[in-house]
Parts: sequence; structure tokens; C-alpha cells
Amino acid sequence: DTAVSQTPKYLVTQMGNDKSIKCEQNLGHDTMYWYKQDSKKFLKIMFSYNNKELIINETVPNRFSPKSPDKAHLNLHINSLELGDSAVYFCASSQDGRKETQYFGPGTRLLVL
Amino acid sequence: RKEVEQDPGPFNVPEGATVAFNCTYSNSASQSFFWYRQDCRKEPKLLMSVYSSGNEDGRFTAQLNRASQYISLLIRDSKLSDSATYLCVVFSYSSASKIIFGSGTRLSIRP
Repeated sequence: DTAVSQTPKYLVTQMGNDKSIKCEQNLGHDTMYWYKQDSKKFLKIMFSYNNKELIINETVPNRFSPKSPDKAHLNLHINSLELGDSAVYFCASSQDGRKETQYFGPGTRLLVL
Repeated sequence: RKEVEQDPGPFNVPEGATVAFNCTYSNSASQSFFWYRQDCRKEPKLLMSVYSSGNEDGRFTAQLNRASQYISLLIRDSKLSDSATYLCVVFSYSSASKIIFGSGTRLSIRP
């Protein structure tokens, strides 16, 4: 069973479109994260939710909106996609967001044309 | 100065060699440290946590130097399968929790 899953795995879309990426974890963890890894492989945290509450919200454009319907899911909605949004987006989860190991999903490769 | 800095490499070493890399961090209040490994086109996976007293896991040894604000990773008797990018991760739990990944050090082991 996949511990942290993301859909879709690949996403190719036009500039200006709105898209969503879904993430689910079956580990019973309380904390989930979204990261962006750009073409230079730099991995940067975007958001973190603990028990459906936002605890980390880094400086990202407000076109990016995370939504956590329950603690097993953290979806990422992106409005008005731009070329610079092209990257790999990783979802991750951990038990409590502090010292615990983070488990990453396989990533969603987003290409904006 | 970047909050977390790593030598990007690549480090290209023969199988069986010992290799070490460092990661420096700027926030002296940082509290937790980890090394992750990322294979090409894959997700990062935890390699090991880094404890104040230093810790070892098989061929891997991690050290933390709080005075100089760096962590290190030593790989002994390197295997071809150790080829990957190694990411250091620094957690800070002050008023605003921060999780910062280094940009990674690329390691390539040659036969």
C-alpha cells in the first residue's frame, strides 16, 4: 500500500488555467506538507497543516491555495497558472510536524506551457 | 548567506572510498537535523536523523556541531547504490516553525 499518494503524477497545462493536485496519506499522521522542487532541484516548503489547521505558510503567491478536508488529505489548488509554476510538487506527511520523519509522495510533475 | 548551505558537488568517487560532506545552517536556534537521500526523479527519503552526540547507521555516520553550526555525513565503503543527491534538513520551532532543505550534494560512485 502506498503511504503517501499524489494525483496526478504528470500535469501538462496551458498558462492561465486552474488546476488541482490531490494528496492522501494512510499513515495516520497529523501533519501534511506541500513542497515545490524547481528545475535547479531546490526543495522549498510551501505549506504545512496539522490536524487540518495551517501551521506553516511560506511566502507563495495567493494563487496557491491548500485545502485540507480531513487530516488524511491535503490538496493544492493553483489558479491562473504561470510558466514559473512548472516544477515538481511533493506532498509529505509526518506524525506531529516536529521531530518526526517526513514521508514524501512520488511527486507531481507540472509543466505549464 | 543562505539559511542552509551545501556544496552542490558533484562528488565523484570510486567504489569503496570514504566520502564526507557538510551542511551549514545560519539559525543558531535550529533544533532538529536530518539527512535525506533523493534518487533521480524520485521523492526524498529519510537517510538518518542527526543527534547532538553523533550517530551511526551501518556505513553512515552523522555529526552535529552546534558551535560551528554545521552537520556532516560520512559514508564509508561506498557502494554504487549510494549514488544519489543528499539533502540536509533543518527544523526550527520558534514562533514560526520553519523547515529548510539544503539544495543537495550530488554523489556519484564509479565502479
